[in-house]
Amino acid sequence: GAGVSQSPSNKVTEKGKDVELRCDPISGHTALYWYRQSLGQGLEFLIYFQGNSAPDKSGLPSDRFSAERTGGSVSTLTIQRTQQEDSAVYLCASSPAGADTDTQYFGPGTRLTVL
Amino acid sequence: AQSVTQLGSHVSVSEGALVLLRCNYSSSVPPYLFWYVQYPNQGLQLLLKYTSAATLVKGINGFEAEFKKSETSFHLTKPSAHMSDAAEYFCAVSVRTDKLIFGTGTRLQVFP
Repeated sequence: GAGVSQSPSNKVTEKGKDVELRCDPISGHTALYWYRQSLGQGLEFLIYFQGNSAPDKSGLPSDRFSAERTGGSVSTLTIQRTQQEDSAVYLCASSPAGADTDTQYFGPGTRLTVL
Repeated sequence: AQSVTQLGSHVSVSEGALVLLRCNYSSSVPPYLFWYVQYPNQGLQLLLKYTSAATLVKGINGFEAEFKKSETSFHLTKPSAHMSDAAEYFCAVSVRTDKLIFGTGTRLQVFP
């Protein structure tokens, strides 16, 4: 079946612009996660959605970062007023309900470059 | 709180040699432990996971890992390295369905 998809695969933007990154989780998966992978910081958790519960935003680095998940499916990560330190690969993952709920399946990522 | 330490940012082995990638964890509650592999310009692929069942876990591509509570370790091994194993490997810890806390990764090189 189809895996987690992310778009765009690459995004180049200018400092100060806003960007939106999209994640389509595996169909039927109830949980969705965003992570950031950068040279200086490694793999960092950003935000976690589980069903209709309030999201865990504890990993968002600043108020310029926000995310939403519409209809319990697609998610959009928005970065406002981008800075050069936002340059990274943004990874999305989803996990199912049931026996395999502890396993996160990752998408290919969006590489963001802020000039 | 949970954390993961991966010893050795780079490991080099010859093709056919044993692969050993080290991971130590810290967790205030029984942990769930994972190994993921990342090939260049790709996302993360699950190799194997420990979720409180058997302590010796077998994964894909011939890899396995043993959970040792007394040593707080979850080292990844493969008896015989193949050229296609060259990649970056990440150990991670979580509490069931919570976020993953990753180690800093180990880049494995395999020489012919």
